[in-house]
Amino acid sequence: SQQGEEDPQALSIQEGENATMNCSYKTSINNLQWYRQNSGRGLVHLILIRSNEREKHSGRLRVTLDTSKKSSSLLITASRAADTASYFCATPNSGGSNYKLTFGKGTLLTVNP
Amino acid sequence: AAGVIQSPRHLIKEKRETATLKCYPIPRHDTVYWYQQGPGQDPQFLISFYEKMQSDKGSIPDRFSAQQFSDYHSELNMSSLELGDSALYFCASSLVGGATFGSGTRLTVV
Repeated sequence: SQQGEEDPQALSIQEGENATMNCSYKTSINNLQWYRQNSGRGLVHLILIRSNEREKHSGRLRVTLDTSKKSSSLLITASRAADTASYFCATPNSGGSNYKLTFGKGTLLTVNP
Repeated sequence: AAGVIQSPRHLIKEKRETATLKCYPIPRHDTVYWYQQGPGQDPQFLISFYEKMQSDKGSIPDRFSAQQFSDYHSELNMSSLELGDSALYFCASSLVGGATFGSGTRLTVV
């Protein structure tokens, strides 16, 4: 089954609200990555969190990683309409290299102005 | 900064034709990946290269092949195209950490 399952599948919020997306994975990882994709466009790398990190911040993004629960969350604070996109988590293969990324199904975030 | 360059951006082919997609990774990145993303689907890993050698293979049909050349650019060749091959094809490159993706090639098979 998929390595990396996001929930919710779709999230609709108002501008200014916070958006939280979750991702679960099944095998051991050495890092977990979050990507953003605008409709029909390329994937943009947002943030990478290593297995020995519990939390990481980048601007309005906050990522947590709980390796005991094999889960991660992405929080976008003070959301903007321009944050509307699909968000994917991705994990490298179990060998620890980045030769292969497995993506989850993604969360479609809609931020209403 | 230079990004991952893919060409062409759009490609329309007929069934049973052949298509070649090109990818130019970020300079000094040692790993190149190819992904396929169908409409409304998550990206699916096809194949990757590390230092010009195939390093991993995903669910890539036998009709598809790829290689990485001495200048590190990569090409994905697809033969006997089927309607179901219509998708966005992404190339990505990495050194360490997160991969950088190109804008993709949208292949439409008619």
